[in-house]
Amino acid sequence: NAGVTQTPKFRVLKTGQSMTLLCAQDMNHEYMYWYRQDPGMGLRLIHYSVGEGTTAKGEVPDGYNVSRLKKQNFLLGLESAAPSQTSVYFCASSWTLSGANVLTFGAGSRLTVL
Amino acid sequence: KQEVTQIPAALSVPEGENLVLNCSFTDSAIYNLQWFRQDPGKGLTSLLLIQSSQREQTSGRLNASLDKSSGRSTLYIAASQPGDSATYLCVLEGGSEKLVFGKGTKLTVNP
Repeated sequence: NAGVTQTPKFRVLKTGQSMTLLCAQDMNHEYMYWYRQDPGMGLRLIHYSVGEGTTAKGEVPDGYNVSRLKKQNFLLGLESAAPSQTSVYFCASSWTLSGANVLTFGAGSRLTVL
Repeated sequence: KQEVTQIPAALSVPEGENLVLNCSFTDSAIYNLQWFRQDPGKGLTSLLLIQSSQREQTSGRLNASLDKSSGRSTLYIAASQPGDSATYLCVLEGGSEKLVFGKGTKLTVNP
């Protein structure tokens, strides 16, 4: 089982460049999430999706866009990268167990913006 | 707003010691609490999930408890091993808020 796969694992960008992070899950989960993790800040929710064709803003959505055209994929886009977006990005998907969201995480994507 | 605190931020113990990691939260109206471990440079691995109607969950050497009235959860690790070295995070789900993460406790088990 692949679980949640993130690509790329590492990327270096220059300020102003654009890029897309891809998250793919093969567990037929409805919910998918994008988080960023920064030292001393914990994980912060960027955007999430409750199903194919839906997206919603999380805690820190500015500077990011997302799309969920297919149930198994959740894309995170940076239109004009800034050094403040240097971080480790985690994708997660979840299924419900008696109403509880049970999360599965990807391995992370480390992004550096120069 | 739900706040999740994990104290201490870092903990170093000798191999074989039993230890307890703490997670406290401010709003007792939670649906569930999950404990994860994160190895350096890796993603988060789910360890235990406690639903609001449960008091504890066990998996191998790990035992997690939940006391909603006091706003606390503990993760007990028995007979710690160097392979247990990682950062442990608690995550709460409840009310109208999405999942709320603690900042984690970095555990080092010394051989």
